[in-house]
Amino acid sequence: GQQVMQIPQYQHVQEGEDFTTYCNSSTTLSNIQWYKQRPGGHPVFLIQLVKSGEVKKQKRLTFQFGEAKKNSSLHITATQTTDVGTYFCAGPGSNTGKLIFGQGTTLQVKP
Amino acid sequence: DSGVTQTPKHLITATGQRVTLRCSPRSGDLSVYWYQQSLDQGLQFLIQYYNGEERAKGNILERFSAQQFPDLHSELNLSSLELGDSALYFCASSVEGRGGLDTQYFGPGTRLTVL
Repeated sequence: GQQVMQIPQYQHVQEGEDFTTYCNSSTTLSNIQWYKQRPGGHPVFLIQLVKSGEVKKQKRLTFQFGEAKKNSSLHITATQTTDVGTYFCAGPGSNTGKLIFGQGTTLQVKP
Repeated sequence: DSGVTQTPKHLITATGQRVTLRCSPRSGDLSVYWYQQSLDQGLQFLIQYYNGEERAKGNILERFSAQQFPDLHSELNLSSLELGDSALYFCASSVEGRGGLDTQYFGPGTRLTVL
């Protein structure tokens, strides 16, 4: 079946270092969404990308959607302790329109 | 605060029992989604309702069922509970029922522990 995969599973960085998580789908996606889940919290919507090659920025966060619309990335510049959490990408299922989540990348930031 | 409410926050029960989880969507949202999150399985879509009707089904076990009521709140019923059902159960809502095309707003979750 359709899969959305993320790497790495875990990332530990020193505060101030950059961080990137990558998302790959087994099928072409009409859009990709990114969510953040803080420890003990619930997923919170960050952004949705729709166009091939689209790049969107939110302060220190940069989101990209691949040209083939099968991959995406989230890059955080100069991480802060507030960036700690698990970042999920999610794409629509091919038939039912359900949202399929990647396994997530858990980011730890050492102060 | 997403505007989605879930009760209870925690639930501890025994194997073989039945529980009901409740969710109220954001004001104005017509669609409700249920997800199960466990350490080894990540966020798994269970089922979606739109304006009272079932719209999409995911990896939901036959022991589980859900419904959405006329006031749009939803309940997820889990029966014949097994140890492996221990997980976080999230409800999410969206304005429309477009599933993967909609931004989904998640509730705080219910942590179910089956002993």
